Amino acid sequence: EPEVTQTPSHQVTQMGQEVILRCVPISNHLYFYWYRQILGQKVEFLVSFYNNEISEKSEIFDDQFSVERPDGSNFTLKIRSTKLEDSAMYFCASSERGGNSPLHFGNGTRLTVT
Amino acid sequence: AQSVTQLGSHVSVSEGALVLLRCNYSSSVPPYLFWYVQYPNQGLQLLLKYTTGATLVKGINGFEAEFKKSETSFHLTKPSAHMSDAAEYFCAVRSGSGNTPLVFGKGTRLSVIA
Repeated sequence: EPEVTQTPSHQVTQMGQEVILRCVPISNHLYFYWYRQILGQKVEFLVSFYNNEISEKSEIFDDQFSVERPDGSNFTLKIRSTKLEDSAMYFCASSERGGNSPLHFGNGTRLTVT
Repeated sequence: AQSVTQLGSHVSVSEGALVLLRCNYSSSVPPYLFWYVQYPNQGLQLLLKYTTGATLVKGINGFEAEFKKSETSFHLTKPSAHMSDAAEYFCAVRSGSGNTPLVFGKGTRLSVIA
């Protein structure tokens, strides 16, 4: 069964550094998402992406964050200048369409900011 | 705006006993409802979904959930718990229009005692 893949599985970075989290969505899916989960807390929506542009974003997704689909397969999340509170598990997801189409999640990237 | 409330952050059952994980939602339009499971150090896996039609939906691993509009509930059940069911379970809601974000509850950790 096709799946969403994320790399790396774990990233450690120093405060103020830039990080790029990478995702390969399922190939025939058109909608892409990033969520994050701070340890012990709920899964929070960051951003959705469709037709090469952001369709929705949350209050968390401020100017420090950006997303890109640089080619036909990858979907990336960049954090420009990481803060301690950015430490979390970041999940990429994709769906075939919007509405009732379920999201398929990757295994996540654990980001640790020191 | 949509929201989800999961009653009980931790539920413990004996192996073979009934599993009941509660979820109540709030949505201004007819919702799409989902249950996801998260095993340790893994991503979110879709258990089942309700979109339209039959209000009792069956999912993987013997789980099912019933959509009750009058109670704004979508509780997850399994007749007989297995040790392998121990995981974190998330209820999620999405409004039935456009590409609005999938909103998660805080999750319920299920422990199964031998």
